Amino acid sequence: DGGITQSPKYLFRKEGQNVTLSCEQNLNHDAMYWYRQDPGQGLRLIYYSQIVNDFQKGDIAEGYSVSREKKESFPLTVTSAQKNPTAFYLCASSTYMAEQYFGPGTRLTVL
Amino acid sequence: AQSVTQLDSQVPVFEEAPVELRCNYSSSVSVYLFWYVQYPNQGLQLLLKYLSGSTLVKGINGFEAEFNKSQTSFHLRKPSVHISDTAEYFCAVSDAGGTSYGKLTFGQGTILTVHP
Repeated sequence: DGGITQSPKYLFRKEGQNVTLSCEQNLNHDAMYWYRQDPGQGLRLIYYSQIVNDFQKGDIAEGYSVSREKKESFPLTVTSAQKNPTAFYLCASSTYMAEQYFGPGTRLTVL
Repeated sequence: AQSVTQLDSQVPVFEEAPVELRCNYSSSVSVYLFWYVQYPNQGLQLLLKYLSGSTLVKGINGFEAEFNKSQTSFHLRKPSVHISDTAEYFCAVSDAGGTSYGKLTFGQGTILTVHP
């Protein structure tokens, strides 16, 4: 079945550590996106990528980094510079100008 | 720049009653509009979308929405809700001109709670 997978579902890290969240899609979509979700704030765009080896900052990119070495994969690294990293992170993908399909999410808790 | 306002943060309703979740948007360009549903600790699932054509859009699970360009609204409706409709609903907008390559701007979400 085609879809988007995110791993792990739950992630715990100590303050000051970098952590990488995985996102893989087998939908053959060109575009991929990372969102952060906090209660009552909807979804906010962190980074997006339209094509392999290219990506752009979203609205809240500070403290995050991404790579897009393969069409299927778009990992997100939450760095120690992110001041409040505890949140629910959602990955999505789409074809050009079509609706976005979302993964199941990763809940990151920084202790 | 675009923005989306969901006018109600929480909507309680009894089972089998009708419901309307309100969404207004602001944009200087033509838009595409979407409604997504999110169940607890899960990703988002597309309910319906408006790209062009008929302003009344039907989606999954008996939901429908009407695009009103003059009022810049895209309200979501269901004539009779079920307990299983309890979830958070998000309205989203993207630039139809393609300059932002399909980036979505989301509203803050509306939590629909269906009581027996």
